[in-house]
Amino acid sequence: EAAVTQSPRNKVAVTGGKVTLSCNQTNNHNNMYWYRQDTGHGLRLIHYSYGAGSTEKGDIPDGYKASRPSQENFSLILELATPSQTSVYFCASGDATGRGEVFFGKGTRLTVV
Amino acid sequence: QQKVQQSPESLIVPEGGMASLNCTSSDRNVDYFWWYRQHSGKSPKMLMSIFSNGEKEEGRFTVHLNKASLHTSLHIRDSQPSDSALYLCAAIMDSNYQLIWGSGTKLIIKP
Repeated sequence: EAAVTQSPRNKVAVTGGKVTLSCNQTNNHNNMYWYRQDTGHGLRLIHYSYGAGSTEKGDIPDGYKASRPSQENFSLILELATPSQTSVYFCASGDATGRGEVFFGKGTRLTVV
Repeated sequence: QQKVQQSPESLIVPEGGMASLNCTSSDRNVDYFWWYRQHSGKSPKMLMSIFSNGEKEEGRFTVHLNKASLHTSLHIRDSQPSDSALYLCAAIMDSNYQLIWGSGTKLIIKP
C-alpha cells in the first residue's frame, strides 16, 4: 500500500530556531510536495520536487527551504522559525504525470513559540 | 487569483439529505479534477476523480463534470454524520501537470 511517512508528528520550536521536517515515501513516486494547512482552510503549496536533486518553489516559499536527496526523501527546512509558521504541514507524493492519486502523510503539527 | 474555486465555503445538511458541492476552474488548461475528503485531524484522502464529461457514481457519491464550463460537482445522497469533513477539489493543469487545490467546502451533517 502507498505510504508517506512524516517525522516528527508534533514539534514545538523556539522563534529563530532551525526546524527540519522529514518525509519518506515508498511509492516510488517522482513528485513530492510540501503543503501547509491552517485551521479550517485548504492546502497551500510551499515547495515541490520532480525527483532526486530537484526542488521547486510553490506558492508560499518564503521562509522555507527544501531538499530532495533521494527518490524517497524530501525535507522541509525552516532556517529561522517564526510564530507565523505555526501550522500543520503535510508531505505528499504523486506520479510524474500528476494524474495519479496523490498520497499524503499524516501531517506534522508545528508550533513556534 | 485562485485558479480553483469551491462553493459553498460551508454547508450544513440534515442526516439522510443530499449534499451538493461545487468546484470551478478559471484556467482553461485544467485537465483532470479530483475530489479529496479530509476528516478533522486527519490527512486528505482521494474520494473520486473525473476526467471526462458526464457523470460518475460510486455508492452514495456522484461526481459531474462539464469540461466546457470547467465545472465539477460532488453530490452525496443519504448523507451520514461520518460524511462530515472538509472536501477539497483539485485540478491538474495539462500544461505542466501542476496540481492546483481549491480552499475546500466544510460539510457538516446534522443528526
